[in-house]
Amino acid sequence: AQSVTQLGSHVSVSEGALVLLRCNYSSSVPPYLFWYVQYPNQGLQLLLKYTSAATLVKGINGFEAEFKKSETSFHLTKPSAHMSDAAEYFCAVSDRGYSTLTFGKGTMLLVSP
Amino acid sequence: DGGITQSPKYLFRKEGQNVTLSCEQNLNHDAMYWYRQDPGQGLRLIYYSQIVNDFQKGDIAEGYSVSREKKESFPLTVTSAQKNPTAFYLCASTTGARSQPQHFGDGTRLSIL
Repeated sequence: AQSVTQLGSHVSVSEGALVLLRCNYSSSVPPYLFWYVQYPNQGLQLLLKYTSAATLVKGINGFEAEFKKSETSFHLTKPSAHMSDAAEYFCAVSDRGYSTLTFGKGTMLLVSP
Repeated sequence: DGGITQSPKYLFRKEGQNVTLSCEQNLNHDAMYWYRQDPGQGLRLIYYSQIVNDFQKGDIAEGYSVSREKKESFPLTVTSAQKNPTAFYLCASTTGARSQPQHFGDGTRLSIL
């Protein structure tokens, strides 16, 4: 069965520091992978997606993620954190057939001045 | 602008009462989904529908029911059989292709009176 593991329920960084949010997945078929961001009391917004075209994927707001098949990872990074990046981030995999997604439990990013 | 509309934003349920959450989309998407979000649990799939007049159970369907009479609409009923309904409910839609991301509404927060 497919699964997604996000290491760390909370990650704290200082403004201007590197952001690294970890995501590992298990999948029996080549996966499609997604990162979403959620601000309080709102729905999820797509940050970026991996659909096998390129292993390094660039998304919105300066975020990017690298697909590493050998490590079954799809970690999210941003070179310099901004206060507005404080939110919860979810990694998701689509491999169950059709377009259903399996989500990780989420990582809350805290940004301090 | 195209999007997904969930209503109401906040909903309160009394003991033994059924309540219905509305989800409408004008994206012309074939597939629609309902998720339940609890703190630290990520998103869990309740029901999904790939086409009008057809739907499938997700991972936590017990105590919930849905209908899909129109392409644009996918209402979720939380029945009295759901003993722990307090949660944030998110509706999503997509074209149905695995490579396409899901688009989310802004959610409904359900609480017990």
